[in-house]
Amino acid sequence: EVHLVESGGDLVQPGRSLRLSCTTSGFYFGVFSITWVRQAPGKGLEWVGFIRNEEYGRTTEYAASVRGRFTISRDDSRSIVYLQMDSLEPEDTAVYYCARRGNSYGTLDYWGQGTPVTVSS
Amino acid sequence: QSVLTQPPSVSAAPGQKVTISCSGGSSNIGSDYVSWYQQLPGTAPKLLIYDNNKRPSGIPDRFSGSKSGTSATLGISGLQTGDEADYYCVTWDRSLSAVLFGGGTKLTVL
Repeated sequence: EVHLVESGGDLVQPGRSLRLSCTTSGFYFGVFSITWVRQAPGKGLEWVGFIRNEEYGRTTEYAASVRGRFTISRDDSRSIVYLQMDSLEPEDTAVYYCARRGNSYGTLDYWGQGTPVTVSS
Repeated sequence: QSVLTQPPSVSAAPGQKVTISCSGGSSNIGSDYVSWYQQLPGTAPKLLIYDNNKRPSGIPDRFSGSKSGTSATLGISGLQTGDEADYYCVTWDRSLSAVLFGGGTKLTVL
């Protein structure tokens, strides 16, 4: 059975950093891209970015709102994807989800339960 | 404001059918597949439709998807109270190199 579990969410001060993890199991991690999506309190879903698989060079794409501050990486040996968030802003407060990407960029077929991040002084 | 435009809310009675529209442009819906997601209150989103009109295993055929030009539509027939949720359309924008989410539509089953 496919599972994705996010962890690392916390309360952090503006300007500080935080790293989220997405631990996966139940599928061959190496062939899939993984996407991060967030949801601010009471708001809709917002794409954060994704990392492609090894075949595509583990390259990344990011939303304009986080580009240059957030970095996605993956450890294929441990089936984990990381979201490194630097220079955090109050506007980054959200529940962060990781999801497995299917055959097209917008197809996210399995999701984790989410981990909350609060950026506040 | 989202690049993909959805109505903020729709409503219908149990047993009826409802449609949710998603309007975009030539660089997104017009050139890539559309997916639809259901988010029940307090839970993670769930994939309902992918590749415009395909249903993942376990999704009932009450849910359907279509695309025409730069717009897509989600249809839900035989409405149940358990269908009350937020629904999102998603696609790739080749100009922005970004995954786009619609603003979401809240479905109320009266």
